[in-house]
Amino acid sequence: GAGVSQTPSNKVTEKGKYVELRCDPISGHTALYWYRQSLGQGPEFLIYFQGTGAADDSGLPNDRFFAVRPEGSVSTLKIQRTERGDSAVYLCASSFGGGSRELFFGEGSRLTVL
Amino acid sequence: DQQVKQNSPSLSVQEGRISILNCDYTNSMFDYFLWYKKYPAEGPTFLISISSIKDKNEDGRFTVFLNKSAKHLSLHIVPSQPGDSAVYFCAASAQGTASKLTFGTGTRLQVTL
Repeated sequence: GAGVSQTPSNKVTEKGKYVELRCDPISGHTALYWYRQSLGQGPEFLIYFQGTGAADDSGLPNDRFFAVRPEGSVSTLKIQRTERGDSAVYLCASSFGGGSRELFFGEGSRLTVL
Repeated sequence: DQQVKQNSPSLSVQEGRISILNCDYTNSMFDYFLWYKKYPAEGPTFLISISSIKDKNEDGRFTVFLNKSAKHLSLHIVPSQPGDSAVYFCAASAQGTASKLTFGTGTRLQVTL
């Protein structure tokens, strides 16, 4: 596709459940990022992939959060035992390479934990 | 600890006038600064950037000014248009951690007719 695609666009779940959010980056972009935007805040860095490997996962808040990118393209952000505080818009972005700071963002996946 | 601050949550400007959006930062390791624009229900889109070796970068109606000694940058939009109404985020990154952008909380710009 032309841009970064994220699914689902909206996800409502109950506290304690497991959630997966998917990101399909722009074709040819080797770098992929996950950010989280809570209400009234700016996007907050979670993790960065260069190719298949997580080059920087320092933004993941705790071990309930995990992300994979097995073939260097599509990525999945996985959240275990969801908590109400996980409610946010999860943004995925991609770029031509890890050195490029001009990121192309998707529309985000809005997660609501009841 | 908010390393990038946008102290004005909102700004209203008349069409045709200049819009000035401000951003302050505290981390002296930041060496690259960007502005992103966000419409409702869309992801942020890159607008303009500036390296710390410059003090000004211009792209059409948009100009970003950087004052390193004051740790301050501003985005000027001249002339403002109704389509510029959006939330503007200031972001910064540090050398060696180019992949990690630190965003401010955003300023909502409303351009009125």
